[in-house]
Order: sequence, then structure tokens, then C-alpha cells
Amino acid sequence: GQQVMQIPQYQHVQEGEDFTTYCNSSTTLSNIQWYKQRPGGHPVFLIQLVKSGEVKKQKRLTFQFGEAKKNSSLHITATQTTDVGTYFCAGIDNFNKFYFGSGTKLNVKP
Amino acid sequence: GAGVSQSPRYKVTKRGQDVALRCDPISGHVSLYWYRQALGQGPEFLTYFNYEAQQDKSGLPNDRFSAERPEGSISTLTIQRTEQRDSAMYRCASSLGGPLDEQYFGPGTRLTVT
Repeated sequence: GQQVMQIPQYQHVQEGEDFTTYCNSSTTLSNIQWYKQRPGGHPVFLIQLVKSGEVKKQKRLTFQFGEAKKNSSLHITATQTTDVGTYFCAGIDNFNKFYFGSGTKLNVKP
Repeated sequence: GAGVSQSPRYKVTKRGQDVALRCDPISGHVSLYWYRQALGQGPEFLTYFNYEAQQDKSGLPNDRFSAERPEGSISTLTIQRTEQRDSAMYRCASSLGGPLDEQYFGPGTRLTVT
């Protein structure tokens, strides 16, 4: 069945270092959404990508959607302690079925 | 207005009891989603409503789980004859339009089955 996998599962970085999480789907997705969940909190929407090859930026965050619409990445430049949390990708397939990735937990050491 | 609210926030129940979890979406949001989230995992899709119509219930684990949204607003997720493996955080989300819109999540209901 459909799976949305994320790697790495955990990432520990020193404050100021960059961070990237990758999301891979077994099938083509209509779109990809990214969410951030702080410890003890609930997922909060960050961004949505719809077009093949799309790239969007939000300050230090850069999001990409692959050409084949099967993978995506989130890159954070110069991490800060406020970036701590778990980052989830979520995709909808062509049948409007919604899948969340397993998440990448980011820890930033000051 | 207010965000998505869920009640109760915590529920402890004994194995075999039925539980009803409530979700109050953002006013005017057409779509409502139920997820189950285990610790350290991503949300697992359970079911989705468009107004009062249940569009997809393929994620419900078995027939002990059911959901309704009779007036297209508040929704209830019911688990009958609870089992210990049902223990998890149950999250509700709503979106203004359909699944292609951003989802706003509620704080969740932590269910513990003893």
C-alpha cells in the first residue's frame, strides 16, 4: 500500500548548523504539505507544494517538491533552538487519500 | 474565532467500555478529519468528512470504531468495547475546503485504556 517515508528519524544539530529532512512516497502525490509539531503540541501547518519541481521559501526554511511528485524535502538554514520539534510531511494521492510521514525529530543544541 | 477544540482532553477508561470523543471544528470549515497518533509517530488517518458526509472511513481500524458529523459541524468518534491497544492520542483537524487545504489541528484527546 501507499507509504510516505521520512528520513532521518532523528537529527541532532548544533545551533547554527543546517538541517534537511526528506520525504519519499511510493506513489505520485497530488500535493505535499509540511507540518511542525513542538514537543507536547499539535501539528501546525507550514506550507503546501502542488507543482512538480516547486520550490518555496519561508525565511530560513526551503521546501522542494520533486519533479516526479513522489518526494519532497525541507531544509532549514542556520538552525535555532526555536526550530526544535518534529517535522512531518503529508501527501494526498490521486484518490484524495491522506498520508502523514513518520516525521523527523529535530533537536538543536545551543 | 477559536481554533479546533476537542473534549475530553484526557480519558481513562476500562477495557470493554465505550468512549465518545468530541471535536468542534473551526466555524465554517467544510472538512473534518480524525487521526490517531502514537507516541513518536506521525498522525494516522482514520476518517474524513465533507460537511456531514463521511467521504472516507478506510482508516478506521475495525468495526468498533465509528464517527459521525450529523449537522456538518461537531463530530464524534466512538470506540466501542475499548481494548488496551486503542490507547493513543486521538486528533481532530479541520480545513476550510477539501483535503488540498491546510489542516488546523486540535489539541487532541489522550485515551488510556486500562
